[in-house]
Amino acid sequence: AQSVTQLGSHVSVSEGALVLLRCNYSSSVPPYLFWYVQYPNQGLQLLLKYTSAATLVKGINGFEAEFKKSETSFHLTKPSAHMSDAAEYFCAGWTGGGADGLTFGKGTHLIIQP
Amino acid sequence: TAGITQAPTSQILAAGRSMTLRCTQDMRHNAMYWYRQDLGLGLRLIHYSNTAGTTGKGEVPDGYSVSRANTDDFPLTLASAVPSQTSVYFCASSGHGTLSGSEQFFGPGTRLTVL
Repeated sequence: AQSVTQLGSHVSVSEGALVLLRCNYSSSVPPYLFWYVQYPNQGLQLLLKYTSAATLVKGINGFEAEFKKSETSFHLTKPSAHMSDAAEYFCAGWTGGGADGLTFGKGTHLIIQP
Repeated sequence: TAGITQAPTSQILAAGRSMTLRCTQDMRHNAMYWYRQDLGLGLRLIHYSNTAGTTGKGEVPDGYSVSRANTDDFPLTLASAVPSQTSVYFCASSGHGTLSGSEQFFGPGTRLTVL
């Protein structure tokens, strides 16, 4: 079964610094992978998705992620953090079979220090 | 375009009572999903529906039931609520299901407290 692991339940960076949120998946086949962002008291919003078209995926708000099959990773990055980036971030994946829904990581809370 | 609406926004429910969480989408998406979100556990799939008239079980289906009578609506019912069902519930939809890598669109959520 597909599983998604996010390393670090909380990540704190200074405003203007690099943001790196880590996600690893376990799958024997290339998956579909997604990053979602959740602002307080809101639903989830898609940041970007990987569907095998390109290994480097650019998303909204300056975020991007690189799919690395050799490392089974799909880490999310942003070159320069803004205060408005403070939120909960979820990595999710799907490899087919079984239930037709996404498997989510447990989430990473991104804190931006002024 | 409203996207996905959920009702109620929040609810306090006595244990043993039944309740239906409502979800409606106006995007004519084929697939719909119910997730629950619990602190430290992320989102977990409860039930899903690939198309009107069909439903399937997700990771944590026990204590919940769903129906999909038409494309737009996907209600989630708790027949006899228990405190462990205290959670935030999210409804989502996608155009063609995750089979094709379609993204899921999420509603604003329903915060349910079972006492």
